[in-house]
Amino acid sequence: GAVVSQHPSRVICKSGTSVKIECRSLDFQATTMFWYRQFPKQSLMLMATSNEGSKATYEQGVEKDKFLINHASLTLSTLTVTSAHPEDSSFYICSAKARGIRSPLHFGNGTRLTVT
Amino acid sequence: QQQVKQSPQSLIVQKGGISIINCAYENTAFDYFPWYQQFPGKGPALLIAIRPDVSEKKEGRFTISFNKSAKQFSLHIMDSQPGDSATYFCAASLLIQGAQKLVFGQGTRLTINP
Repeated sequence: GAVVSQHPSRVICKSGTSVKIECRSLDFQATTMFWYRQFPKQSLMLMATSNEGSKATYEQGVEKDKFLINHASLTLSTLTVTSAHPEDSSFYICSAKARGIRSPLHFGNGTRLTVT
Repeated sequence: QQQVKQSPQSLIVQKGGISIINCAYENTAFDYFPWYQQFPGKGPALLIAIRPDVSEKKEGRFTISFNKSAKQFSLHIMDSQPGDSATYFCAASLLIQGAQKLVFGQGTRLTINP
């Protein structure tokens, strides 16, 4: 089946630094990628949707200057958390889908970000 | 109106029993209803999905029952096993401005006792 690889799986960074998370579709072309945030024991909250070659669409309340999303190719999207603060500590999950309305979503294994 | 309400929040079932998780939605524009299974520290994995033109879909021990008029759908896990212990999310999908958007339920933490 389709595989989405997310890297790193865990990252610890100091407050004020930036962290980049990569999301790759390994065996299909991901025309659309989604980034989610999940707090412990809670559901997934969509942060933004990115289509290859165009700017990401952010959900209400998500700071686009803080969470920079780049979807430069059909197999790679990156999320950069800029000037991270402890409240940004969370589980970040990407998902990807191929072209076509009925294409299923495939999720990465998530990145546990801890900001100290 | 884009919410998906899921219950129960947590569920404990004996091995071999039937696990039932329910979801309800309001927006009739939703046209795809997947269920995801998530283990701790992992991303969600698609378990089974249904479209509103059918009332039931079965894949192995997993069955989705869909009631379009009531705007409800449920996941049934037959012969539940300890390995099924995980968090389950229902979701509903709709098209917004040409883009597919997935809305997740709150999740159900399922524990299967051996």
